[in-house]
Amino acid sequence: DAKTTQPPSMDCAEGRAANLPCNHSTISGNEYVYWYRQIHSQGPQYIIHGLKNNETNEMASLIITEDRKSSTLILPHATLRDTAVYYCIVRVALGVDKLTFGKGITLSVRP
Amino acid sequence: DTGVSQDPRHKITKRGQNVTFRCDPISEHNRLYWYRQTLGQGPEFLTYFQNEAQLEKSRLLSDRFSAERPKGSFSTLEIQRTEQGDSAMYLCASSFGQDNEKLFFGSGTQLSVL
Repeated sequence: DAKTTQPPSMDCAEGRAANLPCNHSTISGNEYVYWYRQIHSQGPQYIIHGLKNNETNEMASLIITEDRKSSTLILPHATLRDTAVYYCIVRVALGVDKLTFGKGITLSVRP
Repeated sequence: DTGVSQDPRHKITKRGQNVTFRCDPISEHNRLYWYRQTLGQGPEFLTYFQNEAQLEKSRLLSDRFSAERPKGSFSTLEIQRTEQGDSAMYLCASSFGQDNEKLFFGSGTQLSVL
């Protein structure tokens, strides 16, 4: 079973920041938070991951609360191409721990 | 294109027929995963390989399903005696297999069993 909960959907205006929430209240100390997204008719795509510090890359920023029970993925300037299902996943980073996907959150970016 | 390649993209078959899908991972990736995804759901793990060794299989993988990865390169997923419930998107992913691994997914094979 997925260890995260996400709202089913949200939308935002093109050019604005999209803040996607995720709850992972049972996360263990050795589990990381990963985000993937899946654009229609494509396979999932890795976005970002983190342990406890905030992380930023060319695609997004990840903000993890101090107690690590929740996180937010931020797309700073959403475009129409960011319309997708976004999956928040917790997994152990060491060794092999398969990705367990939930239903994700559907982000719709409107013009 | 040096991404994960899956073939075919679409497969329509009749119930009871056997089907085989192929996945070509990114070169030098030693881990290869198979997932299945039905409409409105996230991908579900089926099995994974480390090089040519199949190291884990989900209970979702019934006896009618078999996966191979000869020589640790491409992989095949075969479904025997297909059932309508097998209709789904079958996704393949590969990775370097290091800690904090990132999985790279193909675009999947959409199977429709009539």
